Amino acid sequence: AQSVTQLDSQVPVFEEAPVELRCNYSSSVSVYLFWYVQYPNQGLQLLLKYLSGSTLVESINGFEAEFNKSQTSFHLRKPSVHISDTAEYFCAVSDRQGNTPLVFGKGTRLSVIA
Amino acid sequence: NAGVMQNPRHLVRRRGQEARLRCSPMKGHSHVYWYRQLPEEGLKFMVYLQKENIIDESGMPKERFSAEFPKEGPSILRIQQVVRGDSAAYFCASSPDYNEQYFGPGTRLTVT
Repeated sequence: AQSVTQLDSQVPVFEEAPVELRCNYSSSVSVYLFWYVQYPNQGLQLLLKYLSGSTLVESINGFEAEFNKSQTSFHLRKPSVHISDTAEYFCAVSDRQGNTPLVFGKGTRLSVIA
Repeated sequence: NAGVMQNPRHLVRRRGQEARLRCSPMKGHSHVYWYRQLPEEGLKFMVYLQKENIIDESGMPKERFSAEFPKEGPSILRIQQVVRGDSAAYFCASSPDYNEQYFGPGTRLTVT
């Protein structure tokens, strides 16, 4: 069984400042890792994913995450946030055995302050 | 290519009534997942279906909840005799043959 811990439930940050949202996971098998973003009253959108290969993955809107196997972490970073980045961010894992359900963390609410 | 469709977006039911939530996966996707999101909680897996088959229902409550994904038409999540604790956002996701899930906008169920 897998579990995901998002260490911060809320992260306030000033516009144009850097941000890191932390995610640690636990699993007895190899995993795929995902970050999803949820804007108010909307569904989840896939932000980025780690399936294999380079441990640093990037999204089209400036976010990046690095898979660290030894620390079982997949922290999300952005060097300069915008007001429009205000949303809930969810880290999720699944095992590598074909189509399997995602296990989500409880989410981190990022609030960008002007 | 239209995304995952869910309807209704908002559903209000009185205690004891039935709630029926519908999900149409993305074109070409044969895998459907249902998740429930309670306030201040992440999403919790409920059930995983392929056409006409339930693959994994380990997250589904044993009573009152059922799901189907018929050969034709959308996937349906049915909640019988709803109670206040069923109030939540219910999300459907679909995926192709590899494990990358795309989510619908959700159905927000309120039980009064």
